[in-house]
Amino acid sequence: DTGVSQNPRHKITKRGQNVTFRCDPISEHNRLYWYRQTLGQGPEFLTYFQNEAQLEKSRLLSDRFSAERPKGSFSTLEIQRTEQGDSAMYLCASSLRGLGYNEQFFGPGTRLTVL
Amino acid sequence: AQKVTQAQTEISVVEKEDVTLDCVYETRDTTYYLFWYKQPPSGELVFLIRRNSFDEQNEISGRYSWNFQKSTSSFNFTITASQVVDSAVYFCALSEGNDYKLSFGAGTTVTVRA
Repeated sequence: DTGVSQNPRHKITKRGQNVTFRCDPISEHNRLYWYRQTLGQGPEFLTYFQNEAQLEKSRLLSDRFSAERPKGSFSTLEIQRTEQGDSAMYLCASSLRGLGYNEQFFGPGTRLTVL
Repeated sequence: AQKVTQAQTEISVVEKEDVTLDCVYETRDTTYYLFWYKQPPSGELVFLIRRNSFDEQNEISGRYSWNFQKSTSSFNFTITASQVVDSAVYFCALSEGNDYKLSFGAGTTVTVRA
């Protein structure tokens, strides 16, 4: 399978715990995006990387959230001291920077439930 | 302010009927891109179509067609001869200028009944 992969697919945690999600983009894609989707809503942008550089962060990304993309390959999204409001689907997407616009291809998502 | 508005929350049709999904967007940029994505019950977003702001030509791709009108800031999407497998949530999205992030609408749930 050469698509975007995300692990874990589901995560249940207690409030106050830290969680980390992983995204593996399509191998030749140099841009990687994180979005969050709550029930009944469209995805909302969180942050994106070009290679290993984090180029933009949304105001949605509070200080409890941190994302990394070491070596410009896979990316991790960590949420510290989780709150019930963090419960959502976390989506990762990747694209290839080139001439014009290149579509973002999405992974299956990680569904987080904070109890 | 919401940049992409999908006024239809849910649409239910019988198989073989056509389905048209409305999308209205808002941007001050002259260069932008519009998209439709499909999210089936499995949850994975699937890219369907893209249009850039300089190309208002409407096209048909298989059972999909779209109507892009800059004058009304609308980018409507039609599924012709719907099938049960078309049942999903459909999202319209906007990318502005050199900013590659996507702004999504709230989605329209399409249910196709056999």
